[in-house]
Parts: sequence; C-alpha cells; structure tokens
Amino acid sequence: NAGVTQTPKFRILKIGQSMTLQCTQDMNHNYMYWYRQDPGMGLKLIYYSVGAGITDKGEVPNGYNVSRSTTEDFPLRLELAAPSQTSVYFCASSSIHRGGLIAATNEKLFFGSGTQLSVL
Amino acid sequence: GEDVEQSLFLSVREGDSSVINCTYTDSSSTYLYWYKQEPGAGLQLLTYIFSNMDMKQDQRLTVLLNKKDKHLSLRIADTQTGDSAIYFCAPGGSYIPTFGRGTSLIVHP
Repeated sequence: NAGVTQTPKFRILKIGQSMTLQCTQDMNHNYMYWYRQDPGMGLKLIYYSVGAGITDKGEVPNGYNVSRSTTEDFPLRLELAAPSQTSVYFCASSSIHRGGLIAATNEKLFFGSGTQLSVL
Repeated sequence: GEDVEQSLFLSVREGDSSVINCTYTDSSSTYLYWYKQEPGAGLQLLTYIFSNMDMKQDQRLTVLLNKKDKHLSLRIADTQTGDSAIYFCAPGGSYIPTFGRGTSLIVHP
C-alpha cells in the first residue's frame, strides 16, 4: 500500500535556486493538499486541489506554485528559493464528496512522510 | 476561518494518564479528529468523534467533546514511551482542514 508518496525526503537549496517537490497518491483521491510545518507553528496550508485541473491558494501561497494535471500527481514548485522557505513540507490527500451526508472517512487526510527542505 | 488552540507541550510519567486539550471556534464541525505525528513522519489519523457525541472510547484513548464550550480533549490511559509524539486536533466540516499547532507529548520513565 503506497498511499501518498513524496520525493525527495531531504534537499538543500541555495538562495535563488528552484526545485519541484513531488507528490503522488494511488488512492484515487480527489482532494490533495500541500502543507508546511515549522517548529511550534503547526501545519499551514500552502495550496490545495479539489480535482485534476483545479487548484486554489491556501493560507501561505507566496513563493510557491502548483499544478494538477492528473488525479494522482500534485507537484509543488519553488521558483526562487528563500531562507524563509526552510521547512518540512507535507503532501496529503483525501476522498471528499461534497453534498449529502458527511461520513467520518470523507474528511480523513492521508499524509506523505514529508520533505525536509533547507535553503541556505 | 477556523482557529484551533492547543498547548505546545505535555510531559507525563510512563504509566500515567495524559490529557491533551483543544479549543476551536467553528461550531459547524460534523466530525472532530485527532492526528498523531511520530518523529520524522507525517500525520496519521488517531481517532475522531461525531459532533452529536459527548464521549468516545477506543481502547486506551478517550475523546471528550464539550460542544457548548467548543472544547475537545484526548485522554491516553497508561501512557507508554511509544505514545511520545505530536498530537493535532483538527475540526472537520470545511473540507479544508485546519490544524492546531500540535501538542508535543513527552513520556519519561
């Protein structure tokens, strides 16, 4: 059971470099999310997607871009890396069906194991 | 948007009970979730409670919900060193989950 797979696990970037954090899920989930986690600050939502071709900004989108060309993949792009983007990044997915009776499992998020990024 | 508040740290002795508290602002949450994050890993769903319940027990875990005060708690009985982790409260209902800052549970012998 692969679930949500993130690559790479670790990366060090120089200021101004760019990179793409990969995320793929094999559960046919429609919703996907990118969060960043800073020590003592919890999880902050960067971007999310409700399905292929649809993305929207979260709480902290500046400096990032996303695309969702397929149901499975939701890459996160950093164009000009800055020290403030040093963080642990988590991708998550969920199978959400809006309308009708909400089941507990509808809102359950499945998380990847994270990418630790340092920008120096 | 939803605001979720948790204390940052809780230290307990092995074998004691742990109680992790959470307050939230959105009263429309249908389900309220607890996630656990072990060191170096992503979050995993631990348990949840339906909003029309006051209590839910699941082996060593007890979830208490005071909907009037918008207060959620997670009690872990007979806390073990393997319970050391960060615990996140996440009220549901909006499809875009909001997480608290997480409570780091430290279990010492």
